[in-house]
Amino acid sequence: EDQVTQSPEALRLQEGESSSLNCSYTVSGLRGLFWYRQDPGKGPEFLFTLYSAGEEKEKERLKATLTKKESFLHITAPKPEDSATYLCAVLGPFSGGGADGLTFGKGTHLIIQP
Amino acid sequence: NAGVMQNPRHLVRRRGQEARLRCSPMKGHSHVYWYRQLPEEGLKFMVYLQKENIIDESGMPKERFSAEFPKEGPSILRIQQVVRGDSAAYFCASSPAISGGQDTFGSGTRLTVV
Repeated sequence: EDQVTQSPEALRLQEGESSSLNCSYTVSGLRGLFWYRQDPGKGPEFLFTLYSAGEEKEKERLKATLTKKESFLHITAPKPEDSATYLCAVLGPFSGGGADGLTFGKGTHLIIQP
Repeated sequence: NAGVMQNPRHLVRRRGQEARLRCSPMKGHSHVYWYRQLPEEGLKFMVYLQKENIIDESGMPKERFSAEFPKEGPSILRIQQVVRGDSAAYFCASSPAISGGQDTFGSGTRLTVV
């Protein structure tokens, strides 16, 4: 069974204070690892997809990296508007019936204080 | 181009009643996924549908839950004889094809069973 563990559960940073969020995963036959952002009362918003170890993706102040066992979401010089819950998810191998859904972690609740 | 539309946004049902949650995918999207988010839990995959077909329902509870995506109209998640444990946020996501996780999510329906 696919498993995704995110840490820390919550993180409070000062504006401009860089940090990293961790996502550890167990999946046989990874098809992709995904990062989403979720604001209160909203659905997840897609950020990145990573497919193989060593891959990196960047978007504004965010950078996602992937190894064979974990992924990191690095936040550089964050701003208050970066406050949200960040979700990590994996897509495992195809089942007999077709494309499966994502397996999500519980998320990291990030607060950036001005 | 409207995003994924879910309604109602909030739904209150008494124990034993039926709940119907609707999801209109983005224009041009023919694949729909339903997820459930329980308090303090991560998003859990429930079911994956294409028009008139259930492709993967491995995450659906065996009783009281059903889903459909008719040729015309929105996808419907139906919960019969609701219990307090069904209280959760239910999210729908859509994609134009087998997107491999880069799905667009709606804002969810928050079901409260009293």
